[in-house]
Amino acid sequence: DVKVTQSSRYLVKRTGEKVFLECVQDMDHENMFWYRQDPGLGLRLIYFSYDVKMKEKGDIPEGYSVSREKKERFSLILESASTNQTSMYLCASIPGLATYEQYFGPGTRLTVT
Amino acid sequence: QKEVEQNSGPLSVPEGAIASLNCTYSDRGSQSFFWYRQYSGKSPELIMSIYSNGDKEDGRFTAQLNKASQYVSLLIRDSQPSDSATYLCAVRNTGGFKTIFGAGTRLFVKA
Repeated sequence: DVKVTQSSRYLVKRTGEKVFLECVQDMDHENMFWYRQDPGLGLRLIYFSYDVKMKEKGDIPEGYSVSREKKERFSLILESASTNQTSMYLCASIPGLATYEQYFGPGTRLTVT
Repeated sequence: QKEVEQNSGPLSVPEGAIASLNCTYSDRGSQSFFWYRQYSGKSPELIMSIYSNGDKEDGRFTAQLNKASQYVSLLIRDSQPSDSATYLCAVRNTGGFKTIFGAGTRLFVKA
């Protein structure tokens, strides 16, 4: 059974803080993704990674960076948090083949005040 | 034009009825299609995947795909109050891992 875990379910940070969101998957998946989900906008891709130390920008990478030092772990970094980054953040992973569905983590509800 | 479009709803159906959820997509190169269910405050979970034209049935759920019309739908038979959730349509193109999600349709099943 695939498991994707995220470091926090709820997080409250102040404007300007550096924020780390961690995601770990236990099924040896090559591909990992970070999304944010906002009402009316659906899931929007921030960054994805198809291998260790590899990363690709998604649709809304501004204000974010990522790190993938180990295959099972994909971190999302908000260098200087802003109020417009208040959102639900979802991590997902898939194996190597494009037809597989994404497995999502439980999500992190981030509030920036 | 959005890449994946869904009616935001809410769609309200009585218990026991058929709920019909629709989705259109713009990329003709799309090859993989998914329906996810998302309860409030939870992450999406896969309901159905479909890759070729026609119908695919799994229990009370049927996914329908028409690539010529760039249209995919989900039918839920014998709808239950526990089916009340937001349903996300997702589309992935050939050779890619990037998945485009619709904004979702909220479904209410009234007991």
